[in-house]
Amino acid sequence: AQSVTQLGSHVSVSEGALVLLRCNYSSSVPPYLFWYVQYPNQGLQLLLKYTSAATLVKGINGFEAEFKKSETSFHLTKPSAHMSDAAEYFCAVSGTGANNLFFGTGTRLTVIP
Amino acid sequence: GVTQSPTHLIKTRGQQVTLRCSSQSGHNTVSWYQQALGQGPQFIFQYYRKEENGRGNFPPRFSGLQFPNDSSELNVNALELDDSALYLCASSLEATDTQYFGPGTRLTVL
Repeated sequence: AQSVTQLGSHVSVSEGALVLLRCNYSSSVPPYLFWYVQYPNQGLQLLLKYTSAATLVKGINGFEAEFKKSETSFHLTKPSAHMSDAAEYFCAVSGTGANNLFFGTGTRLTVIP
Repeated sequence: GVTQSPTHLIKTRGQQVTLRCSSQSGHNTVSWYQQALGQGPQFIFQYYRKEENGRGNFPPRFSGLQFPNDSSELNVNALELDDSALYLCASSLEATDTQYFGPGTRLTVL
């Protein structure tokens, strides 16, 4: 079975500060891991994905995430927050070869000018 | 990209609803998710090459179809108040490939 836990339902950072959104996963098989972003009244946009290649994954809009098997973590980071980063972020996991995603409950990112 | 219709819908308890999804060009797989307010999306089911290919923990009154052009619809019978949610459709090249989401249909059940 697969599941993810997102620590912190709400994170606030100042514009230009480091963004760190936490995700821990549980999986009985080698996982595929994803980060999606959701802007108000919109669907989900894929930021990045890990599929057992490089452990450091670079995504769109300057975001990246590192897969750490020993810590069962896949935290999302961005060196410098921009106002346009304000949104809801979801971490998701699927089993290798699986056809469905298990999502966390989301973290709302607020960027303070 | 993936498109969904309608954008918003209001129904009353006990009614039936049909939501529609057009997948990205070349994609043969469509997955449906329910996102309740303040929650992450939950997997309803997936259609791959016109057949149901996996189902989450949803009752049989949630059903679907995939058409020859790979578009899809989600049908919900006997609507309940708890069915109020954002319904998201996602398409992928194959069943286990990365899923790309549409903007969703917001369903309100009164």
